[in-house]
Parts: sequence; C-alpha cells; structure tokens
Amino acid sequence: SQTIHQWPATLVQPVGSPLSLECTVEGTSNPNLYWYRQAAGRGLQLLFYSVGIGQISSEVPQNLSASRPQDRQFILSSKKLLLSDSGFYLCAWRGTAGGEAFFGQGTRLTVV
Amino acid sequence: SQQGEEDPQALSIQEGENATMNCSYKTSINNLQWYRQNSGRGLVHLILIRSNEREKHSGRLRVTLDTSKKSSSLLITASRAADTASYFCATDKNTGGFKTIFGAGTRLFVKA
Repeated sequence: SQTIHQWPATLVQPVGSPLSLECTVEGTSNPNLYWYRQAAGRGLQLLFYSVGIGQISSEVPQNLSASRPQDRQFILSSKKLLLSDSGFYLCAWRGTAGGEAFFGQGTRLTVV
Repeated sequence: SQQGEEDPQALSIQEGENATMNCSYKTSINNLQWYRQNSGRGLVHLILIRSNEREKHSGRLRVTLDTSKKSSSLLITASRAADTASYFCATDKNTGGFKTIFGAGTRLFVKA
C-alpha cells in the first residue's frame, strides 16, 4: 500500500536560518507531488507541484524553493527564513491518472 | 488565486441535523473533490465527482455538481459530533500534471 511520510512534525527556527522539510512517498511510482501552506484557520495555498524528477512548478513567488532529487522525494527549502514563513506545511501526492490526493500529517513551522 | 470558495465559512449544528456546505469555482475543471481536515492534521479525501457527473453518494455524504453554475455542494446527513472538522473543496486542472487548488474551507461544529 502507498504511504507518505513528512517530517518533522513541528519545527521552531530563528529568522534568517535555513529550512529543509522532506517528504517521501512509498508504494507508488512517478507520483505528482505537492507542497501546500496553510495559515491558521485558512485554506491551503499551493506552493509547488512536480510531475517528475527535477520538474518543479512554482505557484507563488516567495522565499521558498522545492526540489525533487528522486522520484518519490520532495524537499521544501529556504536559505533564510522570514517571520512570514511561519505556517502549517503539507505535502501530498497523487497518481498520474488524477484521483484523490494523499496528504502527509504536516509540519508546523514557527519562525521566531 | 483561489479556485474554489466555500460557504459558509463556519457552521454550527446539533447532532442529528444535516449539514450543507457549498463550493464555487471560477474556471473549467476535470473534477471536484471534497476533503476533511481535523484540527492540526493532514487532509483526508472524502469524495470525487467528475465534471460529467451531477450527483454522487458515499455513506452519509452526498455531493452535487452544477458545471453551468460552477458550483458544488456537500451534504452530510444525520451529523455526529465526530463530523466536527474543516471541509475543503478542491478543483483540478490538467496542466500536464494535476494542479489541485483548494478553497478556504468550511469549519463545521456539531454539538452533541
């Protein structure tokens, strides 16, 4: 069966520090991968999505970047965090035929 | 920009009552999905309705889709306290991968 792992669950980082959040998927090949950010009590904002290794589409200009070094690995990064980067970050995957999206449990990032 | 917009933003009902949430979107879609999110957790897929379908059922859930009005509704019948959560609609555009955009969500509170 397919599973998705996202870590860490919570993270507190100082302003100006780097960030690396990792997401891995098991049990499927060539998934579409997504990073979303959710502000408190709000909807999900699509940040990046990827249809294959090294292929990244950026939805919102910002202080973050994404990479897909392997088929089932999706990484969200920042060189220098801002206070406004705080939020709940969710990774998700979908099959190439569409259908439902499967979400990780999320990372709550607080930039202090 | 948001593709799906739900209303109401918040809904409070008694256990046993029905809950209806609405979603409107702006552009043509391949399908529309509904998800549920418990506080601080990842999203869980509830139901997917394709653009050529008008109604779909799953247990106590009933989803309708009106592509002429670019709207969908989610009905939860005989609600339970455990249905308390946020509910999101999401729409897909096939752009060479599936770009999935979420609305702001409806926060449902079911009182026991």
